[in-house]
Amino acid sequence: NAGVMQNPRHLVRRRGQEARLRCSPMKGHSHVYWYRQLPEEGLKFMVYLQKENIIDESGMPKERFSAEFPKEGPSILRIQQVVRGDSAAYFCASSPLVTGHTGELFFGEGSRLTVL
Amino acid sequence: GESVGLHLPTLSVQEGDNSIINCAYSNSASDYFIWYKQESGKGPQFIIDIRSNMDKRQGQRVTVLLNKTVKHLSLQIAATQPGDSAVYFCAEAQQGQNFVFGPGTRLSVLP
Repeated sequence: NAGVMQNPRHLVRRRGQEARLRCSPMKGHSHVYWYRQLPEEGLKFMVYLQKENIIDESGMPKERFSAEFPKEGPSILRIQQVVRGDSAAYFCASSPLVTGHTGELFFGEGSRLTVL
Repeated sequence: GESVGLHLPTLSVQEGDNSIINCAYSNSASDYFIWYKQESGKGPQFIIDIRSNMDKRQGQRVTVLLNKTVKHLSLQIAATQPGDSAVYFCAEAQQGQNFVFGPGTRLSVLP
């Protein structure tokens, strides 16, 4: 039973390029969350998605960032025209759909973006 | 003892001693709480959770205490081992909402 799978694990981009980070949730999980983490800091919420729906994107920057979780395939976090300040670890987490209460949140190993 | 570094507070304990890591949460409506352990270069790992209808829950060597009156959560680790060295985060959630994480505490286990 594979866990949350993220790829690439490491990504290097030059300023102005695009970064695409992929996340496959655990089998049976229908909720996906993306978090950003700077070195020596905590996890900052970005976006919460269910299949084909964005539930909460209050943590996403208004420009250059977008996320999707299509009916088929992984969730994608897309960063357009990257800048040095986008360098961070981006973690994806998934949880099951549990009627009546919030399910456990399981994390992938992260994608580390470096912008040159 | 405890000290505040540039970003993360650090708790240093002797191997074999018990550790207590504290977390103040912000939303009185949160009804689900999780403690995570994050080792360097890895993703957060689930340790233990607790729902708001409980005030204590025990796992293997770990205990989580919840005090809803003062919005405080703690993680107790018994007989701390070198492998427990990591950053520990608490997370809170309200049903249907996203998880909000605390700032984290670095646990350093001294030989």
